[in-house]
Amino acid sequence: DAKTTQPPSMDCAEGRAANLPCNHSTISGNEYVYWYRQIHSQGPQYIIHGLKNNETNEMASLIITEDRKSSTLILPHATLRDTAVYYCIVRVAGGYNQGGKLIFGQGTELSVKP
Amino acid sequence: DGGITQSPKYLFRKEGQNVTLSCEQNLNHDAMYWYRQDPGQGLRLIYYSQIVNDFQKGDIAEGYSVSREKKESFPLTVTSAQKNPTAFYLCASSIVRTTIGGELFFGEGSRLTVL
Repeated sequence: DAKTTQPPSMDCAEGRAANLPCNHSTISGNEYVYWYRQIHSQGPQYIIHGLKNNETNEMASLIITEDRKSSTLILPHATLRDTAVYYCIVRVAGGYNQGGKLIFGQGTELSVKP
Repeated sequence: DGGITQSPKYLFRKEGQNVTLSCEQNLNHDAMYWYRQDPGQGLRLIYYSQIVNDFQKGDIAEGYSVSREKKESFPLTVTSAQKNPTAFYLCASSIVRTTIGGELFFGEGSRLTVL
């Protein structure tokens, strides 16, 4: 699985968009980009994933560059409840017996401030 | 509501004792996983199971054991052989798909402290 690089921490004002970057320069053509977040002392929560097209759901948008070497998770209107550690993960499709292991790094600690 | 239930939420044990953490899911997911998280660190995979009566070691399986006798249950035993058992333990489950990787659904975690 490709490694990802994320800034260790970021601040965002409440109500503003939070843009969380992720570099994955060694990503392979069959690897997806996944985002999870973990609120303190809770289990991680799935946010979104994509392959090469931009994706949007009720939680966030995922923008993947054309060369797929980086991506940005966008929380359009951040709230105090979005304060969490955000993990960017790349993996192949399929279960673990197809190499699809999720590797969680240290993520980005996002602090949303009033 | 469907979800994953871990128990206990907090657990204390003395050195040399084995302890079993419970994980139950009613999502009808085939695959289940155990992760360990240390302070300020990401998650590390301990064991995983994609089908009943079968499981595989993850990256840090030493000192741990699991069983998968029922689809909905995947208990983890932390044995006395685990040198640094104090940690936050997370259980997860997913649908096993052959094309798109299924997202993981996590429980709320169990915090184990060895005194």
